[in-house]
Amino acid sequence: GESVGLHLPTLSVQEGDNSIINCAYSNSASDYFIWYKQESGKGPQFIIDIRSNMDKRQGQRVTVLLNKTVKHLSLQIAATQPGDSAVYFCAENMGGETSGSRLTFGEGTQLTVNP
Amino acid sequence: NAGVTQTPKFRVLKTGQSMTLLCAQDMNHEYMYWYRQDPGMGLRLIHYSVGEGTTAKGEVPDGYNVSRLKKQNFLLGLESAAPSQTSVYFCASSYRLLRGGVGEKLFFGSGTQLSVL
Repeated sequence: GESVGLHLPTLSVQEGDNSIINCAYSNSASDYFIWYKQESGKGPQFIIDIRSNMDKRQGQRVTVLLNKTVKHLSLQIAATQPGDSAVYFCAENMGGETSGSRLTFGEGTQLTVNP
Repeated sequence: NAGVTQTPKFRVLKTGQSMTLLCAQDMNHEYMYWYRQDPGMGLRLIHYSVGEGTTAKGEVPDGYNVSRLKKQNFLLGLESAAPSQTSVYFCASSYRLLRGGVGEKLFFGSGTQLSVL
């Protein structure tokens, strides 16, 4: 079946470096993608989202890139800080107005920021 | 605003016991969801609701029941708990999905750690 997945389960970076977390998806019909951050013992928190009619979207210190040709999504975090250490999930929306937001989540990438 | 609140935060059950997880949201959201999270498997949708009085099955509904008697509450029930239901359960809510995508972002609670022995 179609699914959303991540290339790497763990990523370790030095404080101040830029981080890139990747995600591959296979559902070509998905038109909305979202990144969540989950800290230990907490629920997922929204980071940034992007529609399929866009290639790039920027937030505060974060950028999401979408490459529809190869069905690839990435999250870039600038000047990574210790507080960025968490598990990052990508998700795609497979729902509609009658079925709500049917997000399918990837397995997550554990980001560790070393001081 | 408290957002999405889940109770209890932790629970240990014996096989065969029953329990209900409560989710409450104060954002007047139309849609509510129950997910389970297991190591290496991400978040999987159990059941969801697109409005008061309505529920629907998600990806892994077996062994669970839900009810949405009030717009702000979404209950998840386990009638006869099994060790395979040991997991972290997350409730989420979202605005009504409108043309153009408003409402797709989910707001999550802090989770319930359930262990079934």
